[in-house]
Amino acid sequence: QSVLTQPPSASGTPGQRVTISCSGSSSNIGSNYVYWYQQLPGTAPKLLIYRNNQRPSGVPDRFSGSKSGTSASLAISGLRSEDEADYYCAAWDDSLSGRLGFGTGTKVTVL
Amino acid sequence: QVQLVQSGAEVKKPGASVKVSCKASGYTFTSYGISWVRQAPGQGLEWMGWISAYNGNTNYAQKLQGRVTMTTDTSTSTAYMELRSLRSDDTAVYYCAREDYGAKGDFDYWGQGTLVTVSS
Repeated sequence: QSVLTQPPSASGTPGQRVTISCSGSSSNIGSNYVYWYQQLPGTAPKLLIYRNNQRPSGVPDRFSGSKSGTSASLAISGLRSEDEADYYCAAWDDSLSGRLGFGTGTKVTVL
Repeated sequence: QVQLVQSGAEVKKPGASVKVSCKASGYTFTSYGISWVRQAPGQGLEWMGWISAYNGNTNYAQKLQGRVTMTTDTSTSTAYMELRSLRSDDTAVYYCAREDYGAKGDFDYWGQGTLVTVSS
């Protein structure tokens, strides 16, 4: 089971701001970087945010990440129809000999 | 450009084994690790493990220990993931992803995915 908890769904109208939370613990988010992935239907995940708040080249600045303590969040501002996708957070977990934990995933719907 | 191209879909019977390949191009293969991630139908992402393409060191998810083996062939820049004693709940899309050394979870390029179906 996932070690990181996300809300199952989020939604907004075009142009709105949507925020997705990712809750963990001291052994994962609290002591390691957080990454965010976007998965469009039927495709492989795509790196959206790395090292808590960095955007890879090509990712619009509408996407931003932040981290505080044992939680992280992804914000999408100026929501667009093409942002409709599943979003996953990820962080290394130092417990149990180490493993990468993914969040439970959040489906973003553009109304 | 960086590409990871995986082998095609597989159908296996329970108890069998499957070996999925992931051929890398567009970068120096040994300069990065490869992680494997799977996704059961309608479910989330699950990390399976990681292999260093530099020295073959591995780190497997605890729940798959003993059933999974990850290897690389540096002569062909190809990574492999073998899963044994397949069960129906191993039915999933399996992805390989490139990972920078020391950046656990930083998967900047992904393969297209390989569907493995386990059914009698």
